[in-house]
Amino acid sequence: KAGVTQTPRYLIKTRGQQVTLSCSPISGHRSVSWYQQTPGQGLQFLFEYFSETQRNKGNFPGRFSGRQFSNSRSEMNVSTLELGDSALYLCASSLWGAEQFFGPGTRLTVL
Amino acid sequence: GIQVEQSPPDLILQEGANSTLRCNFSDSVNNLQWFHQNPWGQLINLFYIPSGTKQNGRLSATTVATERYSLLYISSSQTTDSGVYFCAVPVNYGGATNKLIFGTGTLLAVQP
Repeated sequence: KAGVTQTPRYLIKTRGQQVTLSCSPISGHRSVSWYQQTPGQGLQFLFEYFSETQRNKGNFPGRFSGRQFSNSRSEMNVSTLELGDSALYLCASSLWGAEQFFGPGTRLTVL
Repeated sequence: GIQVEQSPPDLILQEGANSTLRCNFSDSVNNLQWFHQNPWGQLINLFYIPSGTKQNGRLSATTVATERYSLLYISSSQTTDSGVYFCAVPVNYGGATNKLIFGTGTLLAVQP
């Protein structure tokens, strides 16, 4: 069974731009969660989706948004990029309330 | 909210040595996961262990939910074991939840 995939793997953007990251969960998994990892803040929860509905949201500004499609694939968008948004963005998929499996991540650099 | 602490923060071992990593959590949990983050950043699942003991090759884990801690044992360490080890627990919203709270990690370096 294929694992969680994320695209793109690397991104370089400049301040003020926006970016969209994509995550395809393991087949049959309907839950997708997103996390941001930075050296200073560690791994922090962004939001989670289940059956196209946002179930939980972390403490991030409104510039961070996401959505989930009917095939369970999810996207997250960051608008008006800031230098501090440079991070590794990880997505995880699971059956609801069960073990979570992570993708390889998207490394975003904001210049 | 729930706090998750890991110790030690850093660990240097010689190849072949054994080690124990600890994860303490401040509230009751209904499951716990251990991950190894590889040099490329991916989180690799090691154990999904709400309670009891599990073993997978040279690695084993024990969670004592009533005392709010979990231990990860690495025996006969190899250089490929190097990396950061995280434990993570779900936030208790009174039902199933997928929001994980991660510990700060243990950085392990295994020297040849």
